[in-house]
Amino acid sequence: DGGITQSPKYLFRKEGQNVTLSCEQNLNHDAMYWYRQDPGQGLRLIYYSQIVNDFQKGDIAEGYSVSREKKESFPLTVTSAQKNPTAFYLCASRRGTKETQYFGPGTRLLVL
Amino acid sequence: GIQVEQSPPDLILQEGANSTLRCNFSDSVNNLQWFHQNPWGQLINLFYIPSGTKQNGRLSATTVATERYSLLYISSSQTTDSGVYFCAVERGNNRLAFGKGNQVVVIP
Repeated sequence: DGGITQSPKYLFRKEGQNVTLSCEQNLNHDAMYWYRQDPGQGLRLIYYSQIVNDFQKGDIAEGYSVSREKKESFPLTVTSAQKNPTAFYLCASRRGTKETQYFGPGTRLLVL
Repeated sequence: GIQVEQSPPDLILQEGANSTLRCNFSDSVNNLQWFHQNPWGQLINLFYIPSGTKQNGRLSATTVATERYSLLYISSSQTTDSGVYFCAVERGNNRLAFGKGNQVVVIP
């Protein structure tokens, strides 16, 4: 099946820990995106990548890091520097500019 | 950055009713999408509609780019239409800006 997968579905983190969220797509899309959603809010862009080995900061990149070593994969690391990491994280991809973005099922991160 | 405002923020509908959701944006755009977020959090694409009108079953959308707004119509609503509807726009910087959404509840 073609699509975007995210893992894990739920993630618990202790304060001071770094955690990595996985995002994989087999749609052969060039561009990939990470968003954060807080309760009752819209999505805010964390990082995005338009090609392999290149990525740009979004609106709320502080406390997060990414890599894009393969076209299919765009992992997001939530570092201990992110002071309020509890949120719903969504990954998206699209083939190119002026194209539809498609979303994965999301990962819910809870800091204990 | 570009501002996106959606109205109404909350809407309760009787099953079978029709409704209109509105998205206003503050600048010209070259991409506009409508999404439906289901109760499990999954975002489903509804329309890619930077201008014009499109229909898909009971849903239709119209974007008037020159007046900077888009409308999403839901006809003969069903309980499965419940969820949050998001409008997102792009201004040519490869980044979507999202509104805060329209929370829709359809009661049987």
